[in-house]
Amino acid sequence: GAVVSQHPSWVICKSGTSVKIECRSLDFQATTMFWYRQFPKQSLMLMATSNEGSKATYEQGVEKDKFLINHASLTLSTLTVTSAHPEDSSFYICSATNQGQGYGYTFGSGTRLTVV
Amino acid sequence: AQSVTQLGSHVSVSEGALVLLRCNYSSSVPPYLFWYVQYPNQGLQLLLKYTSAATLVKGINGFEAEFKKSETSFHLTKPSAHMSDAAEYFCAVSEPQGAQKLVFGQGTRLTINP
Repeated sequence: GAVVSQHPSWVICKSGTSVKIECRSLDFQATTMFWYRQFPKQSLMLMATSNEGSKATYEQGVEKDKFLINHASLTLSTLTVTSAHPEDSSFYICSATNQGQGYGYTFGSGTRLTVV
Repeated sequence: AQSVTQLGSHVSVSEGALVLLRCNYSSSVPPYLFWYVQYPNQGLQLLLKYTSAATLVKGINGFEAEFKKSETSFHLTKPSAHMSDAAEYFCAVSEPQGAQKLVFGQGTRLTINP
C-alpha cells in the first residue's frame, strides 16, 4: 500500500534556530500534501496544503514566513520551522494523496519538535 | 463549511464488549467520511472510509461504520473489543471533489478494561 516516510521522528533544537522536516511518498506520486500540527491530547490542526510545483496555501492564522513549505517534487515536501521558539514545540504530521489512486490520504509517522 | 463532532472525548469498555464511537458531521455537499486511529507518538492509520458507495463500510481490525444521511452520522463500531484497540480515534470529513483537505473531529480516546 501507499507509504509516507516522515523524518526526523523527533528533534530538539535551540530557540532561534531553524528545523526542517521531510515528508516523502515512497511508492506513489503525491500530487497534494498536507501539513498538520497536533497539540497534546488534541486533534489535528491543518496548517497548509501544498500542490507539487505551486506555492502552499496556508490556513488562517498560520504564519507563512515562519512555517515554510516546499513541494518541489511529486515525492517530497518539506516543512521548515524558522527561528523556532518554545511555543512552536508540537507534533507535526504530514499527509499525502494522489487523487488518481483511489482517493486515499496516507499519513506520515509524525515529528515531535521540542524547542529549548 | 464542513465540521465533525465526536461525542465523548473518552470512551471506556471492557475487553470483549461492543465498541461504539460516535461521529456526526455537517456538510453542505455529499461528504466523504473517514475514521482514523492514532497510537501514541505515531501518525494516523486509516480504519475505513465512506466515498458514496455502500452505506455500511467495513474496515480493518474488525471495525465498521454506517453512513446515515438522515442522522448526519457515521458511527464506528466493533462487536468485541481487544486490548490492542486502546488508542485515539478520529473521525474526519472532506468534500468529494479533488484532493480536498480533511476536517477532523476532536478525537475519542478509547480505553479497554481487562
